[in-house]
Amino acid sequence: AQSVSQHNHHVILSEAASLELGCNYSYGGTVNLFWYVQYPGQHLQLLLKYFSGDPLVKGIKGFEAEFIKSKFSFNLRKPSVQWSDTAEYFCAVGSYQLTFGKGTKLSVIP
Amino acid sequence: IAGITQAPTSQILAAGRRMTLRCTQDMRHNAMYWYRQDLGLGLRLIHYSNTAGTTGKGEVPDGYSVSRANTDDFPLTLASAVPSQTSVYFCASSDNDSPYGYTFGSGTRLTVV
Repeated sequence: AQSVSQHNHHVILSEAASLELGCNYSYGGTVNLFWYVQYPGQHLQLLLKYFSGDPLVKGIKGFEAEFIKSKFSFNLRKPSVQWSDTAEYFCAVGSYQLTFGKGTKLSVIP
Repeated sequence: IAGITQAPTSQILAAGRRMTLRCTQDMRHNAMYWYRQDLGLGLRLIHYSNTAGTTGKGEVPDGYSVSRANTDDFPLTLASAVPSQTSVYFCASSDNDSPYGYTFGSGTRLTVV
């Protein structure tokens, strides 16, 4: 069975600070990995995805994630966060039926 | 419409009542999904459909049923609502030929009292 673990429940950062959100997964097949973002009161939107190739994936709004196969990890990073990045972030794994982590709430303080 | 439309946006429902949440997509995606989102639990898969005419159970299917009569529509029915089904429900779709992630609807906030 596939599973996803997100280590941080709530992260609070000041603007311009660097961000790294942890995600570890367990999956028996070909790994497809995703990060989604949910802004307050909105639905989930795709930030970035990894299927194969370069393990460093760049997404929208300056986000990137690195797939480290040996560590079963797919951590999300951003060099300098903005107040507008305040949202909840979900890591997901799977091919068709995705399994989501429980989410990490990010609060960015101006 | 473009993408996925869910209706209603929100609903307060008396326990024991029957309720159908509607989901329609216009992207001709093969697969559709229903998730519920609860605080601290993330998103959990209720039911899915890989193609019209087929459905499958997800992680938390009890108390819910779905049908997929055509490509575009994937309604979720609560036969007899209970308070534990209070949640935000998201419908999503994807293309089986290229699993590049989901497109989500805007959600239905359901409160069972």
